Amino acid sequence: AQSVTQLGSHVSVSEGALVLLRCNYSSSVPPYLFWYVQYPNQGLQLLLKYTSAATLVKGINGFEAEFKKSETSFHLTKPSAHMSDAAEYFCAVLPSWGADGLTFGKGTHLIIQP
Amino acid sequence: DGGITQSPKYLFRKEGQNVTLSCEQNLNHDAMYWYRQDPGQGLRLIYYSQIVNDFQKGDIAEGYSVSREKKESFPLTVTSAQKNPTAFYLCASSMATTDTQYFGPGTRLTVL
Repeated sequence: AQSVTQLGSHVSVSEGALVLLRCNYSSSVPPYLFWYVQYPNQGLQLLLKYTSAATLVKGINGFEAEFKKSETSFHLTKPSAHMSDAAEYFCAVLPSWGADGLTFGKGTHLIIQP
Repeated sequence: DGGITQSPKYLFRKEGQNVTLSCEQNLNHDAMYWYRQDPGQGLRLIYYSQIVNDFQKGDIAEGYSVSREKKESFPLTVTSAQKNPTAFYLCASSMATTDTQYFGPGTRLTVL
């Protein structure tokens, strides 16, 4: 069974500061990994995904994530936070052989302080 | 424009009533999914379908039913057997179960 742990249900950063959202997964083999963003009362939008190519993945809106197999982590970062980054962020895992749907973390609410 | 549509955006239901949530996609995706979202719990899989006329239970299928008569449509029925149906429901689709899932805008169901 797979699981995803997102450390911190809420993360607050100042505008212009580094954003770091943590995600750790458990899986018997390296999975596919995803970060999604959700704005209030909307669906999920794909930020980026890791599918066993480059370990550093660049996504939309200036976000990137690094896959570290030894740490079973896939943390999301952005060098400089913008007010429009305030949203809920979800990390998700999918076995590389395919599966019956994504396994999601519980989400991290990102708050941007002016 | 290609995408996934869900209707209605807001839905109110009286206790004891069944209600059906619509999900349509024009992405020509084979796989479709239904997730339930509750505050602080992330998303949980209700049902998924890999091809037409076939679907499988997810982690929390009790009290729900689905059908997949057409490739582009995957409606979800919330039955009166679902004890706590108030939630935000999200539909998703992908080319195959190994591919990226794309999400619709969601339906917020409230039981009065």
